[in-house]
Amino acid sequence: EVQLVESGGGLVQPGGSLRLSCAASGFTSSSYWMHWVRQAPGKGLVWVSRINSDGSITTYADSVKGRFTISRDNAKNTLYLQMNSLRAEDTAVYYCARRVYSGSSTAFDYWGQGTLVTASS
Amino acid sequence: QSVLTQPPSASGTPGQRVTISCSGSSSNIGSNTVNWYQQLPGTAPKLLIYSNNERPSGVPDRFSGSKSGTSASLAISGLQSEDEADYYCVAWDDSLNGVVFGGGTKLTVL
Repeated sequence: EVQLVESGGGLVQPGGSLRLSCAASGFTSSSYWMHWVRQAPGKGLVWVSRINSDGSITTYADSVKGRFTISRDNAKNTLYLQMNSLRAEDTAVYYCARRVYSGSSTAFDYWGQGTLVTASS
Repeated sequence: QSVLTQPPSASGTPGQRVTISCSGSSSNIGSNTVNWYQQLPGTAPKLLIYSNNERPSGVPDRFSGSKSGTSASLAISGLQSEDEADYYCVAWDDSLNGVVFGGGTKLTVL
């Protein structure tokens, strides 16, 4: 069974840092592009970042470019999101999602349950 | 302000057919495939339609998608109470070099 389990969320002061993890199981994670998507409380879905199967290609939304870093450790089947210089507007539930193996680049067939990040003093 | 434009709300009675629109531009919907997600309250999104009009296994054929030019639509026929959820369209944007979501449409089953 395919599973994605996020962890690492919590309360952090503005300007602080946090690293999210997404543990994958039930599939060969090293074969898939992976994404982070966030959702502020009561708001819609917003794409954050993506990484290709071997970690050599990364892309970011303008709102997080230069502050967030996506990475992966395929030996550990784990995806990461390092978040620095956090702002109040980064407060959201962060989901990791698996892109389908082939086909549409924005079709995410499996999602984690999400982890809440709160940037507040 | 989302790059893809959806109506904030939609509604229908059980058994009815409802459609949700998604408007974009030449750099996103006009040149890339559209996918749709369903998000039930308190849960993670679920892939509902991919590549404009394909259904993943397990998704009822009451759900269908279409695309024309720079717009796309999600249709739900035979509306059921369990369809009450938020629906999002999404596409790749060549100009932004990123994924763009619609603002979401809250569907209410009256």
